[in-house]
Amino acid sequence: GDSVTQMEGPVTLSEEAFLTINCTYTATGYPSLFWYVQYPGEGLQLLLKATKADDKGSNKGFEATYRKETTSFHLEKGSVQVSDSAVYFCAHTPGANSKLTFGKGITLSVRP
Amino acid sequence: NAGVTQTPKFQVLKTGQSMTLQCAQDMNHEYMSWYRQDPGMGLRLIHYSVGAGITDQGEVPNGYNVSRSTTEDFPLRLLSAAPSQTSVYFCASSRGGGTAGYTFGSGTRLTVV
Repeated sequence: GDSVTQMEGPVTLSEEAFLTINCTYTATGYPSLFWYVQYPGEGLQLLLKATKADDKGSNKGFEATYRKETTSFHLEKGSVQVSDSAVYFCAHTPGANSKLTFGKGITLSVRP
Repeated sequence: NAGVTQTPKFQVLKTGQSMTLQCAQDMNHEYMSWYRQDPGMGLRLIHYSVGAGITDQGEVPNGYNVSRSTTEDFPLRLLSAAPSQTSVYFCASSRGGGTAGYTFGSGTRLTVV
C-alpha cells in the first residue's frame, strides 16, 4: 500500500551544521509530496511541497527535490539554527484522492 | 483569519464517557480531516470529508464518529472513551485536497483515565 518512510531519529546538530533528513515513499500514480514542521506545543505547518517529478520545494532555507526515479523527497538545509529545532514530517497525497499519509516524524534538536 | 480552530485544548475523560471534539475553519475549505498523533506513530488519519454531507473512514476509525453538516464544522465524537484513545488530536482543512496542502489546528490533548 501507499506509505512514507522517514529516517530514524532523533537528530542532534550544532548550529550552522548541514542537515539532511531522508524520506522515501511508495505510491501508485504520481503523488504530491510535502514536508510539515511541528514546533513544540503547536500544530503542524506546511514547510514546503512539490507536486511533480523534478520539482524543488523551498522555504525558510529548507529544500527538497521530488525524485521519481528513487521515490525520494529528502529535506536539506545548509546551515541550521537553534530555532529550527522541531519535529519534521514527510507526507504524500497518493494519486487522485485527497488523503494525506504521513511518515512517523523525526525530532531535530539544534545546539547553540 | 482564524484558520482552523479546535476546542477544547485539553480534556480528561473517564473510561466510558463520551465527548465531542470541535473543529471549525473559516477558509471555505472543502476538505477536512481528523488525525491522531501518538509517540513513534506519526499522524494517523481517523476520518475525513471532501465536502458537506460526505465523510469517509481513514486508517483508525474505530471508536470515533464524524458528521459534516456544514462546510465550516467537522466535529469528532468519541462514543465510549477508552485509555487507548489517549492522544493528541489534530483537525486539518484544505481547499484543493492533498495537493494544495493542509492547514492544521493547534490540537486537543485528550487523556482517558
